[in-house]
Amino acid sequence: EPEVTQTPSHQVTQMGQEVILRCVPISNHLYFYWYRQILGQKVEFLVSFYNNEISEKSEIFDDQFSVERPDGSNFTLKIRSTKLEDSAMYFCASRDSGRLYEQYFGPGTRLTVT
Amino acid sequence: GIQVEQSPPDLILQEGANSTLRCNFSDSVNNLQWFHQNPWGQLINLFYIPSGTKQNGRLSATTVATERYSLLYISSSQTTDSGVYFCAVGYSGGGADGLTFGKGTHLIIQP
Repeated sequence: EPEVTQTPSHQVTQMGQEVILRCVPISNHLYFYWYRQILGQKVEFLVSFYNNEISEKSEIFDDQFSVERPDGSNFTLKIRSTKLEDSAMYFCASRDSGRLYEQYFGPGTRLTVT
Repeated sequence: GIQVEQSPPDLILQEGANSTLRCNFSDSVNNLQWFHQNPWGQLINLFYIPSGTKQNGRLSATTVATERYSLLYISSSQTTDSGVYFCAVGYSGGGADGLTFGKGTHLIIQP
């Protein structure tokens, strides 16, 4: 069964550094998403991406965040200058373009900012 | 935006017991998903159920969209059912494609 994959599974970085989280969505899917979950809290929507542009973003998704689909298979989330409060689990999700709106989630990347 | 409330926040049961988890939401949705978050933090998709009833083994779910709630039933609980259960809703095509998650129900199944 096709699945969403994410790399790395765990990343440790120092405050102020740039990080890129990578995702490979399911191959025929056209809608892509990033979510984050701070430890012990609920999952929060960050951004959705369709047709090579952002279609929706939350208040959390400020100027330090950016997303990109650099090729036909990868979808990335870049955090330009990490802060301690960016420590969280980041989930990528994707869905196809049909009328079933189910989103398929990857296993997550745990980001630790020290 | 859409508000999602899950109840109860915590639930402790003995192995073999049945449980019902509830999700209330504040607006019309065309996407509702139930997830189980395992001890490694992964979100396991249990059901995509914007309306109607579905069953998968010991788990079943019902969404009554007109009354804006969904129920997740777990029968004959096992210790491996422990974890956090999240309900998430959205309205794709209406500017709310991103899912809004509830705070979850933390389920502990004791042997």
